Amino acid sequence: KQEVTQIPAALSVPEGENLVLNCSFTDSAIYNLQWFRQDPGKGLTSLLLIQSSQREQTSGRLNASLDKSSGRSTLYIAASQPGDSATYLCAVPVGGGATNKLIFGTGTLLAVQP
Amino acid sequence: EPEVTQTPSHQVTQMGQEVILRCVPISNHLYFYWYRQILGQKVEFLVSFYNNEISEKSEIFDDQFSVERPDGSNFTLKIRSTKLEDSAMYFCASRLTGSNQPQHFGDGTRLSIL
Repeated sequence: KQEVTQIPAALSVPEGENLVLNCSFTDSAIYNLQWFRQDPGKGLTSLLLIQSSQREQTSGRLNASLDKSSGRSTLYIAASQPGDSATYLCAVPVGGGATNKLIFGTGTLLAVQP
Repeated sequence: EPEVTQTPSHQVTQMGQEVILRCVPISNHLYFYWYRQILGQKVEFLVSFYNNEISEKSEIFDDQFSVERPDGSNFTLKIRSTKLEDSAMYFCASRLTGSNQPQHFGDGTRLSIL
């Protein structure tokens, strides 16, 4: 059974700092991994999707890496800004075919201090 | 950019009442999902839907829950007799064909059962 964990649960950094969020999954047979952002009381915004054949995916100041063999992904945020404050979730699809339901981690609550 | 839209954004209902949550997936997507997130907990899979039938449902999705695609655009989640523990944020998602495709989420409906 696939399980997804994220550490740390919460992180507070000063503005401008580079930071890394971690995501671990127990079953390495994944198609891809998605990173999401969730603002308080709001929906899920997809940030990056990294395919199982990729090792990295970049979008602006965000860089996601994937190491399937070790069951890990990291989300690197460069030059953090107060507007980056949110909860960051990772998720992997399970089931394939007509299902491909996402299994989510518990998230990392990020606070960027001005 | 096309979006998944959900209505209402907030629904307050008395325990025991029926509630219908509505979603309009992205127009060319064929796979549809409902997830829920109880306050402070993980996002959990409820049900996936493809080709006008449920492809998978979780243990949470019991006989009180049903989904329907009544026309070519809407996708609904019905809870027949709501319980206090149904209070949560409910997210609809959709995706294109292909196990490597990302899921796109709506902003959610906050369901409060009194």
